[in-house]
Amino acid sequence: GQNIDQPTEMTATEGAIVQINCTYQTSGFNGLFWYQQHAGEAPTFLSYNVLDGLEEKGRFSSFLSRSKGYSYLLLKELQMKDSASYLCAFMDSNYQLIWGAGTKLIIKP
Amino acid sequence: GAVVSQHPSRVICKSGTSVKIECRSLDFQATTMFWYRQFPKQSLMLMATSNEGSKATYEQGVEKDKFLINHASLTLSTLTVTSAHPEDSSFYICSAPGQGEWETQYFGPGTRLLVL
Repeated sequence: GQNIDQPTEMTATEGAIVQINCTYQTSGFNGLFWYQQHAGEAPTFLSYNVLDGLEEKGRFSSFLSRSKGYSYLLLKELQMKDSASYLCAFMDSNYQLIWGAGTKLIIKP
Repeated sequence: GAVVSQHPSRVICKSGTSVKIECRSLDFQATTMFWYRQFPKQSLMLMATSNEGSKATYEQGVEKDKFLINHASLTLSTLTVTSAHPEDSSFYICSAPGQGEWETQYFGPGTRLLVL
């Protein structure tokens, strides 16, 4: 079967670093996505990993290990505007996105 | 980058009425569009895959007669919530893969539906 799991909520301090983990199980895999979603808005694309390793994009980095079914999103130099839900999703063999429930990230001053 | 629009952004309707939501790809063609529903504090749930020129593919548990999908052109898909009830109140979001880019999804801004 297919499933995907990520923590429900995390809290971090402004200026710090936070890592949001995501684990998944699937027989067919076409990449792992991270999206940011502010309350009441549609998700916005952050990153896409299809090969193992770390992809860095400014303050945000995403890591993938296909053998472990594991990904993480790393946010550095946290800002208050980073308070949002972070959704991980993998694309299955039918090119359909399977979504995690999202991790609500709370940034404290 | 590619842009997807949705209209209306917000709609309030009475129970029993029908509501149509439009999803447009503004600068690219989309033979496939996806319709999602998101309840408060929950993740996106795929409702159906809209296919240009053919019938939509609905996910298990989604009533095709209640959620009518029409993908009449390469840039427009519509979702009609028929005989809406308060439990249909939700955030409806469409997305379309970039042309030739199956790994990239472009999301519309979403439509918030409130059924009284």
